[in-house]
Amino acid sequence: EPEVTQTPSHQVTQMGQEVILRCVPISNHLYFYWYRQILGQKVEFLVSFYNNEISEKSEIFDDQFSVERPDGSNFTLKIRSTKLEDSAMYFCASSGRDTAKNIQYFGAGTRLSVL
Amino acid sequence: DQQVKQNSPSLSVQEGRISILNCDYTNSMFDYFLWYKKYPAEGPTFLISISSIKDKNEDGRFTVFLNKSAKHLSLHIVPSQPGDSAVYFCAASASTGGFKTIFGAGTRLFVKA
Repeated sequence: EPEVTQTPSHQVTQMGQEVILRCVPISNHLYFYWYRQILGQKVEFLVSFYNNEISEKSEIFDDQFSVERPDGSNFTLKIRSTKLEDSAMYFCASSGRDTAKNIQYFGAGTRLSVL
Repeated sequence: DQQVKQNSPSLSVQEGRISILNCDYTNSMFDYFLWYKKYPAEGPTFLISISSIKDKNEDGRFTVFLNKSAKHLSLHIVPSQPGDSAVYFCAASASTGGFKTIFGAGTRLFVKA
């Protein structure tokens, strides 16, 4: 069964450093997303991406964040200068076309630890 | 952001009995509702969904009911099995947006053997 793949599973970084979280969405999907879950809190929407541009973003997704689909398969989230409060699980998701576009399939997540 | 609320943080049910998980929403623009199941150290797994034009959707042991006038949905699991023990997230999206999905806080279901 096709799945969303995220790497690395755990990323440790120093405050102020840049990190790139990587995702390979399901191959025929058209819509891509990033969510995060701070420990003990809700899964929060960060950004959605379609047709090579951001379609929607949340207040959390400020200038420190950016997304890119550098080739036909990868979808990345970059945090330019990490802060302690960026420590969270980051989930990538993708969804298909037409009636299936509402159903998002999630990867296993990348745990980001900012020290 | 309390647009999707799951007021029960946990629920304990005996194996074989019905599990009922509840969810309320406030945003009238939501037109698609989903339930996800999550195990520790995994991402949310899609379980079942319902469009706002329906009031019930069934898939095997799982049924989702939608009451639009009350802005309430529920997930019924019958019969409950120990493997159903997980955190269940209610989620909602609006087709007019970028399919941003808003999640509830989750309900941890314990199914006792």
